[in-house]
Amino acid sequence: DAGITQSPRHKVTETGTPVTLRCHQTENHRYMYWYRQDPGHGLRLIHYSYGVKDTDKGEVSDGYSVSRSKTEDFLLTLESATSSQTSVYFCASSPQAVSSYEQYFGPGTRLTVT
Amino acid sequence: GNSVTQMEGPVTLSEEAFLTINCTYTATGYPSLFWYVQYPGEGLQLLLKATKADDKGSNKGFEATYRKETTSFHLEKGSVQVSDSAVYFCALAQGAQKLVFGQGTRLTINP
Repeated sequence: DAGITQSPRHKVTETGTPVTLRCHQTENHRYMYWYRQDPGHGLRLIHYSYGVKDTDKGEVSDGYSVSRSKTEDFLLTLESATSSQTSVYFCASSPQAVSSYEQYFGPGTRLTVT
Repeated sequence: GNSVTQMEGPVTLSEEAFLTINCTYTATGYPSLFWYVQYPGEGLQLLLKATKADDKGSNKGFEATYRKETTSFHLEKGSVQVSDSAVYFCALAQGAQKLVFGQGTRLTINP
């Protein structure tokens, strides 16, 4: 299994505060992804990265920003948390293009915005 | 745009029953197709995949065949076990870099 960790695993925060979630992978994978998982919606892509300092938006990127300064780390920031951002967040990585290679997922971060 | 539609859940079966979880897709071209599984409290993991029409992916007794004519990739297993209880996601590769997921189907197997 690819070594992907996420921190924190659980977080409760208040509306309006900034929050940063961290994803760390030890496999030297080029691609990294942030998803949110909500009932009835499956997984929706927030942002992804195709290399150090190379990122792009997914389908639900509003209110989120990302940074990737090293191959192994991909940070997701909620600039001003809202209750609609209460969700489970998953990070994933992939060595090459997903059409041929699987994505490896972290264990998830449960975020509650009160 | 590309999309994936899965059968509504939850699905509850008895041990040793036959399982089918339907998945259909809308996409331009011929995307690679995947089934991922999420066990309780864990992240998703790849169950099987197929990269071209008529390919059959298989793993752990599960199978799915890439049907271009019906734009489907249904998941099947001949005899389910309690340990198969999980959430199953169908997905397609959108371009080279992204996956599009269905909404997931929760499966519960009773002994």
